[in-house]
Amino acid sequence: KAGVTQTPRYLIKTRGQQVTLSCSPISGHRSVSWYQQTPGQGLQFLFEYFSETQRNKGNFPGRFSGRQFSNSRSEMNVSTLELGDSALYLCASSFEAKSHEQYFGPGTRLTVT
Amino acid sequence: GIQVEQSPPDLILQEGANSTLRCNFSDSVNNLQWFHQNPWGQLINLFYIPSGTKQNGRLSATTVATERYSLLYISSSQTTDSGVYFCAVLTTDSWGKLQFGAGTQVVVTP
Repeated sequence: KAGVTQTPRYLIKTRGQQVTLSCSPISGHRSVSWYQQTPGQGLQFLFEYFSETQRNKGNFPGRFSGRQFSNSRSEMNVSTLELGDSALYLCASSFEAKSHEQYFGPGTRLTVT
Repeated sequence: GIQVEQSPPDLILQEGANSTLRCNFSDSVNNLQWFHQNPWGQLINLFYIPSGTKQNGRLSATTVATERYSLLYISSSQTTDSGVYFCAVLTTDSWGKLQFGAGTQVVVTP
């Protein structure tokens, strides 16, 4: 079974631009969660989607948004990029969100200049 | 929200040594996972262990849910064990939100 895939793997953007990251979950998994990892804040939860619905959201500004498609693929968007948005963005999939094991993709490393 | 504390923050080992990493959490959990983050940033699943004991090769883990802690044991460490080890928990009232500890940075020297 193929693992979680994320595209692109690396991205360089300029302040004020917007960016869209993509995540394809493991086949059969319907829950997708997104996380941001920075040296200062560690791994922080952004949001979780299940059957195209956002069921949980972390403490991030409204510039961070996401969506999930009917095939469970998910995208996250960051608008009006700031230098502090430079981070590793990880997505994880699981069969069901409440208790099942989460599996992570390789991440997208975003650099904002 | 739930607090997850990992100790020690840093660990330097000689190849062949054994070690124990600890994860304490402040509330009941539905799920507890241990991960190893490789140098490229990917989180590798080590154990899904909300309770009990599991072993996988030189690694083993124990979670005592009633006392709110988990231990990860590394035996006969190898240089490839170097990296950051994270503990993460999922609380009973949270959809898909793993709460991570700060991690333990492990360096295994030849």
